[in-house]
Amino acid sequence: DVKVTQSSRYLVKRTGEKVFLECVQDMDHENMFWYRQDPGLGLRLIYFSYDVKMKEKGDIPEGYSVSREKKERFSLILESASTNQTSMYLCASNHRGSGNQPQHFGDGTRLSIL
Amino acid sequence: AQSVAQPEDQVNVAEGNPLTVKCTYSVSGNPYLFWYVQYPNRGLQFLLKYITGDNLVKGSYGFEAEFNKSQTSFHLKKPSALVSDSALYFCAVRDMRYGGATNKLIFGTGTLLAVQP
Repeated sequence: DVKVTQSSRYLVKRTGEKVFLECVQDMDHENMFWYRQDPGLGLRLIYFSYDVKMKEKGDIPEGYSVSREKKERFSLILESASTNQTSMYLCASNHRGSGNQPQHFGDGTRLSIL
Repeated sequence: AQSVAQPEDQVNVAEGNPLTVKCTYSVSGNPYLFWYVQYPNRGLQFLLKYITGDNLVKGSYGFEAEFNKSQTSFHLKKPSALVSDSALYFCAVRDMRYGGATNKLIFGTGTLLAVQP
């Protein structure tokens, strides 16, 4: 079975801190994704990576950056955390292909910014 | 513009009754459609997908979905609901910007399914 592991289930940080969220997958997937999930808004794509050191902005990249130094690991960075970044963050991965591959998700990190 | 709509925030059904969770989409080209389920405090789990072929797609846990091109719909169905089916359900469509090459998905806002005993 595909395993996507997010390093923390719950995280509490303070406004202005630099926050790192880590995601690791064990299926040699080329693609990795970071989403945030908010009630009534569904999932919104923050950043996407299709290979090591490659990244693309999603729909809501402002205030975030990412790092993909190894194929299995994709990190989301909140440069200077703000209260409006309090949310559930989900990481996903899948094989590069013709778009018919389902994404596999981690269990999420619920982040609170105080 | 590409989009996915789940018109119902919540669906209530009695255990043993059939259930339907609605999804409509707007996308250029042939749609690739997906359903996911999210249980409390968990990530999304893949249920089923439509890529091409038979309009009725069968998936995990007894769920199925019907692709209707003329109505641009992909409704999720189950003949007999279980209390354990209570969860948040998301419909998604492949993002066809840039020819769909990026494997990105566009998600609906989710429908909470509540199955009463």
